[in-house]
Amino acid sequence: EAQVTQNPRYLITVTGKKLTVTCSQNMNHEYMSWYRQDPGLGLRQIYYSMNVEVTDKGDVPEGYKVSRKEKRNFPLILESPSPNQTSLYFCASSLFSDRWYNNEQFFGPGTRLTVL
Amino acid sequence: QKEVEQNSGPLSVPEGAIASLNCTYSDRGSQSFFWYRQYSGKSPELIMFIYSNGDKEDGRFTAQLNKASQYVSLLIRDSQPSDSATYLCAVNLRPGLHNQGGKLIFGQGTELSVKP
Repeated sequence: EAQVTQNPRYLITVTGKKLTVTCSQNMNHEYMSWYRQDPGLGLRQIYYSMNVEVTDKGDVPEGYKVSRKEKRNFPLILESPSPNQTSLYFCASSLFSDRWYNNEQFFGPGTRLTVL
Repeated sequence: QKEVEQNSGPLSVPEGAIASLNCTYSDRGSQSFFWYRQYSGKSPELIMFIYSNGDKEDGRFTAQLNKASQYVSLLIRDSQPSDSATYLCAVNLRPGLHNQGGKLIFGQGTELSVKP
């Protein structure tokens, strides 16, 4: 089954304790992206990657890191989480080709993170 | 001005009625437009996309695009209680713009409630 998986689905942690949220897709997609979703603010892009070893900042990258060592995986790293990073996080992936008009993004199930 | 704007709602319609969801965007060069549905606590799922002016129909859903007015809408005919969700409009940046041809900009979403 074609899918994007994220782990963990729920996480409660404390300020300053490093954490990693994993994301994996099995569709051989080049493009992967991390979003956070907060009430009233919609989906905001944190980081994206257009292929292996190619990553760039999105709209709200502060406090986050990513890596793309393999095509299928795109982990999100919070080196020192703070309460303002409490949010619902989504990973997404899509093809990146000349058919740009149909680059549907497939979303993972989400990770609800609470930082105390 | 936000890049993609939607009325946050909630929009309430009776069962069987037509629900009309609207979205405006600021980048006149935007080329493709997506409508996602998101149930509470779940990930967004694609309903349909459109990139040519006019209407595109898929079952009970019709997307309408007017590039001159920078306006895209989604009509849901014969609305059902199961259509109650938040609907996200997303706009694809112009290919080649800052090398972000794969990036989608999301509106904040419109909450739809269909009453039995």
